[in-house]
Amino acid sequence: DAKTTQPNSMESNEEEPVHLPCNHSTISGTDYIHWYRQLPSQGPEYVIHGLTSNVNNRMASLAIAEDRKSSTLILHRATLRDAAVYYCILRDGRNDYKLSFGAGTTVTVRA
Amino acid sequence: GAVVSQHPSWVICKSGTSVKIECRSLDFQATTMFWYRQFPKQSLMLMATSNEGSKATYEQGVEKDKFLINHASLTLSTLTVTSAHPEDSSFYICSATDSVTDTQYFGPGTRLTVL
Repeated sequence: DAKTTQPNSMESNEEEPVHLPCNHSTISGTDYIHWYRQLPSQGPEYVIHGLTSNVNNRMASLAIAEDRKSSTLILHRATLRDAAVYYCILRDGRNDYKLSFGAGTTVTVRA
Repeated sequence: GAVVSQHPSWVICKSGTSVKIECRSLDFQATTMFWYRQFPKQSLMLMATSNEGSKATYEQGVEKDKFLINHASLTLSTLTVTSAHPEDSSFYICSATDSVTDTQYFGPGTRLTVL
């Protein structure tokens, strides 16, 4: 399975944007880039996913590099409720939706 | 987004007993569900893939006779931890795939404590 690399932690101020990087230099052409986040003692929550083009939804934006070897999750205005562990995961579009979680990035939001 | 529920949300049991955890997709059908385990301060570890109408596929190192999985319908998968021991205490999380939206949704998790 293709691996992803994320920083262990990031801090942000409330109401400021947060840019979470993810490196996936061994990504294959059929790999989708998925982002999930997990609050303490809860199951992961779907954030966004994409293949090649940038994606926007009500929660976040996903910017994908042209060579697809990296991507950035953008939270436009961080709130205290955005404090969580954010996981960047590659999923092979040909398989049975299996997801492999890494350590993720722990995001702290300062009031 | 789609909703996946788990029951119970927490359970405490004595060593040697069996515990069943239910996972339901509430507003979509899921031919495939997944079971994960998460220990404190660690990431999620995939235990098995639950396939509706067929046998589950277990990840390497996961004992299929200890963690029984049944996926009897398109909206329900169950995980039974048999003869539970204190080392089985963990946070168990299921997920279900909505093939229409190509998205996997997770349940809220079940905290198992074995005394």
